[in-house]
Amino acid sequence: GENVEQHPSTLSVQEGDSAVIKCTYSDSASNYFPWYKQELGKGPQLIIDIRSNVGEKKDQRIAVTLNKTAKHFSLHITETQPEDSAVYFCAARVGSQGNLIFGKGTKLSVKP
Amino acid sequence: NAGVMQNPRHLVRRRGQEARLRCSPMKGHSHVYWYRQLPEEGLKFMVYLQKENIIDESGMPKERFSAEFPKEGPSILRIQQVVRGDSAAYFCASSPWTGNQETQYFGPGTRLLVL
Repeated sequence: GENVEQHPSTLSVQEGDSAVIKCTYSDSASNYFPWYKQELGKGPQLIIDIRSNVGEKKDQRIAVTLNKTAKHFSLHITETQPEDSAVYFCAARVGSQGNLIFGKGTKLSVKP
Repeated sequence: NAGVMQNPRHLVRRRGQEARLRCSPMKGHSHVYWYRQLPEEGLKFMVYLQKENIIDESGMPKERFSAEFPKEGPSILRIQQVVRGDSAAYFCASSPWTGNQETQYFGPGTRLLVL
């Protein structure tokens, strides 16, 4: 079945710097790749997603890129702010199945 | 439009008791997913339901765990005879339609602690 690997597990950046989180997936049939932000004690919040027919998507300071050939996708956060500090999860969905396969998460710390 | 609602937010049970977790999907959503999250880990899929139907329960333990999504009312995840290893955060997500590409919206979760 599908497997999603996420790196790094922790990331610390200075306020204003950029942060990049990378994920790889194993099943070439995966066609949907969301990113979630989870703050302490809360549920995951969708921040951006990308579908397999698109190579890049941007929403203000957040962008996601997808390389289908290499089977990896990345989250880019520019001009980081302390409120960006949270755990970020990537996920992949295979074909017509409903469930998402999640990476293990990246704990992002943005230092003021 | 209210988001996905889950209750209770926190649940404490002693070993051997039953735990019932409830999930009300977003208005207009007819698909519900349950995931479990252990500390410091990602979310693991448990079960996918539509109204009155279990679509995929491949991630759910065969014993003690059951789920339903009745025609009326919330989806229920039921854990019988809880053990300490069941302690985790349980998240529900909902989506408006099924197909090749859909977005899942998560609730705040129920944190289960088994003493």
